[in-house]
Amino acid sequence: ETGVTQSPTHLIKTRGQQVTLRCSSQSGHNTVSWYQQALGQGPQFIFQYYREEENGRGNFPPRFSGLQFPNYSSELNVNALELDDSALYLCASSLVAGAEETQYFGPGTRLLVL
Amino acid sequence: RKEVEQDPGPFNVPEGATVAFNCTYSNSASQSFFWYRQDCRKEPKLLMSVYSSGNEDGRFTAQLNRASQYISLLIRDSKLSDSATYLCVVNNPGTYKYIFGTGTRLKVLA
Repeated sequence: ETGVTQSPTHLIKTRGQQVTLRCSSQSGHNTVSWYQQALGQGPQFIFQYYREEENGRGNFPPRFSGLQFPNYSSELNVNALELDDSALYLCASSLVAGAEETQYFGPGTRLLVL
Repeated sequence: RKEVEQDPGPFNVPEGATVAFNCTYSNSASQSFFWYRQDCRKEPKLLMSVYSSGNEDGRFTAQLNRASQYISLLIRDSKLSDSATYLCVVNNPGTYKYIFGTGTRLKVLA
């Protein structure tokens, strides 16, 4: 196991609602990245947090936002949910925000938007 | 053109076979490369990093060809437990995001 945990494991929401997903990074890791994985696709980068600051963002609209806390755990918030937001949301932690740094993934949160 | 491209498969191979996957990337400045394995409805797990000199871990061998901008994964003596989706990952300089391919699905048949 990677030591990265996520909650909840599954979630069902309706269009227009808001959702918060949570991630606890591996002990000693100060960087958390979030990815969205649609069915049959590879994970797509949403954003990364390093020492409580956003450290890079993918092609996702502003209704996707995040936070990192002093203990390096993180939240992903999605407002005004759309049907296409249905996906597996993965968080990954790494020791530092480095190009060669291996990222370790949590089990993911499976979100279904109806 | 996608930044990272993989043949989605599926590759159906008998137990004991040798199978190879390729993955091409578009950014010649890419500097870090990985193979991850993902089982159905599970998270990706690191299989191996890919180094310029190539590297081997048991039955698995990864190669990097910078001139042609592809990486490869060779699996020898396939086991039933190797059935999974294999994700190619590239990390470009100046960014810390992983860029994933769509994955190649492998089925090892008894």
